[in-house]
Amino acid sequence: DTGVSQDPRHKITKRGQNVTFRCDPISEHNRLYWYRQTLGQGPEFLTYFQNEAQLEKSRLLSDRFSAERPKGSFSTLEIQRTEQGDSAMYLCASRPRTLEETQYFGPGTRLLVL
Amino acid sequence: AQKITQTQPGMFVQEKEAVTLDCTYDTSDPSYGLFWYKQPSSGEMIFLIYQGSYDQQNATEGRYSLNFQKARKSANLVISASQLGDSAMYFCAMRERGTNAGKSTFGDGTTLTVKP
Repeated sequence: DTGVSQDPRHKITKRGQNVTFRCDPISEHNRLYWYRQTLGQGPEFLTYFQNEAQLEKSRLLSDRFSAERPKGSFSTLEIQRTEQGDSAMYLCASRPRTLEETQYFGPGTRLLVL
Repeated sequence: AQKITQTQPGMFVQEKEAVTLDCTYDTSDPSYGLFWYKQPSSGEMIFLIYQGSYDQQNATEGRYSLNFQKARKSANLVISASQLGDSAMYFCAMRERGTNAGKSTFGDGTTLTVKP
């Protein structure tokens, strides 16, 4: 396993369209996180999965955002009716059970909403 | 609520010199972990070093060391013998152990530029 992968790497869409991003974590990692990063800022937590269960969602995650992790493997993040303010880098990270372990980040999906 | 503050938006250092990047944090959880990440212009987040709140010694990883002052709630990153490839954005992050999520809170980062 070579690490966390994300697809697509870049996405340009028009305002009002729906987009879906995919994250494939490191296979033995049961914890998966989504973050959003805007230019000049650090990543902000969006949501967290432990196996297939979505255990926490940030208040940043409006009703237009939904995330799934069927069967506790890959995860998808969908944004409905995109807005220009959704333009950002969306980062996925995974980690094993031990709290001392760092999160391993994917390369991110850069979204531009026109 | 946990919070991370990085007060240096940008730093410059001469190649082969050492540089310190500042990080202060705020938490009410007595058990937590502190992390530093490097983010080059390509965008990937690269883990550098970890410090646990109960660790007695400062963490070191090659040219990276963490100056951990628990009473001051600071966790500064020291990079020794800077290299041109160290030019990047650096983020300090904290994860509390008291929550199931173990999500990390990040600072807004410091842009480091290494001059030849």
